[in-house]
Amino acid sequence: AQSVAQPEDQVNVAEGNPLTVKCTYSVSGNPYLFWYVQYPNRGLQFLLKYITGDNLVKGSYGFEAEFNKSQTSFHLKKPSALVSDSALYFCAVRVPNTGNQFYFGTGTSLTVIP
Amino acid sequence: SQTIHQWPATLVQPVGSPLSLECTVEGTSNPNLYWYRQAAGRGLQLLFYSVGIGQISSEVPQNLSASRPQDRQFILSSKKLLLSDSGFYLCAWSGTGDPYEQYFGPGTRLTVT
Repeated sequence: AQSVAQPEDQVNVAEGNPLTVKCTYSVSGNPYLFWYVQYPNRGLQFLLKYITGDNLVKGSYGFEAEFNKSQTSFHLKKPSALVSDSALYFCAVRVPNTGNQFYFGTGTSLTVIP
Repeated sequence: SQTIHQWPATLVQPVGSPLSLECTVEGTSNPNLYWYRQAAGRGLQLLFYSVGIGQISSEVPQNLSASRPQDRQFILSSKKLLLSDSGFYLCAWSGTGDPYEQYFGPGTRLTVT
């Protein structure tokens, strides 16, 4: 069975400090990996993806993520957090050629403290 | 560019009443379409997905149903709402190939009273 884990329900970071939101996955096959952000009462917004190639991918709003195949991880990072980054973040996986489903983590609430 | 619409944005319905939520996508053809429910602002529960007109896969048995009468239209329905149907309903689309990611609509907040 495919699964995605976000081990931290809540992450707090001071404004200006680097942030990391963790994601690990367990899938059969080579996954496509995604990060989404959700602000209150809004739909999920696509941030970035890893499909193939360079393990470090860059996305919207200065976010980046590193695909680590050996550790089956895809952690989201940003060098300097902003208060406006405070939101709910979801990691997701799609396994090509096994259907059209996406598997989501349970979400990590990020709070950036001024 | 592609856009996805959902309506209504908010809905308050009494227990036992019917439900119809609509989702439409513009700017793409033959998308995969999805309905999710999000309870208490946290995890997403996949309810239904569709790879084509009239093709619906149900992930969770419940009193909800979905239909895809047109290529870019996805409807979530219920004949009789339960209190437990309250939540935030999200529609999403993806390509069969590129784009590999999903794009989400703005959501519908449903409160069953």
